[in-house]
Amino acid sequence: EAGVTQSPTHLIKTRGQQATLRCSPISGHTSVYWYQQALGLGLQFLLWYDEGEERNRGNFPPRFSGRQFPNYSSELNVNALELEDSALYLCASSRRFRHNEQFFGPGTRLTVL
Amino acid sequence: DQQVKQNSPSLSVQEGRISILNCDYTNSMFDYFLWYKKYPAEGPTFLISISSIKDKNEDGRFTVFLNKSAKHLSLHIVPSQPGDSAVYFCAASGGARDDKIIFGKGTRLHILP
Repeated sequence: EAGVTQSPTHLIKTRGQQATLRCSPISGHTSVYWYQQALGLGLQFLLWYDEGEERNRGNFPPRFSGRQFPNYSSELNVNALELEDSALYLCASSRRFRHNEQFFGPGTRLTVL
Repeated sequence: DQQVKQNSPSLSVQEGRISILNCDYTNSMFDYFLWYKKYPAEGPTFLISISSIKDKNEDGRFTVFLNKSAKHLSLHIVPSQPGDSAVYFCAASGGARDDKIIFGKGTRLHILP
């Protein structure tokens, strides 16, 4: 069974640009979660999608947004990038309402210059 | 407001000895607790969990203890092995369907030869 995949592995952008990160969940999983791991911080919850709808959102500004597609894959968009957005962005997936059983992808390292 | 706290950023333990990782939480609504392990360049992987109706859960070399009155949990690894060197994240959730998982900042465990 293939695990959660994320692309790209690394992404370098400059301040003010937009970044798009992608995630494909494990087959059979309908929920996708996004986390930010900045240097010195733990995993900060960003967004949770299930069945195409946003189920919950962390304490992040609106320039962090995302969506979930009919095939359950997901995109995270970060607009107007700031230097402090540099972080590892992790995606996880789970079966519906099994948020305590999340499987993580390897992450996308976003660097904002 | 950090609801899940791992106050030790790092811990070094001799191979073969017991590793004890600690975690404190502030939200009394949390009723499910998890430990994740993360190697560099990989996503976190689930290690062990415990429901608030229990005070101990054991899985091989890993045991998690929960003290609800103190809002404290700990992960014991016995005996510690070189492959246990990783970052360990404590996490908690409220158990409701729309509750997100809140992660701590992590503790880096070094197993010394």
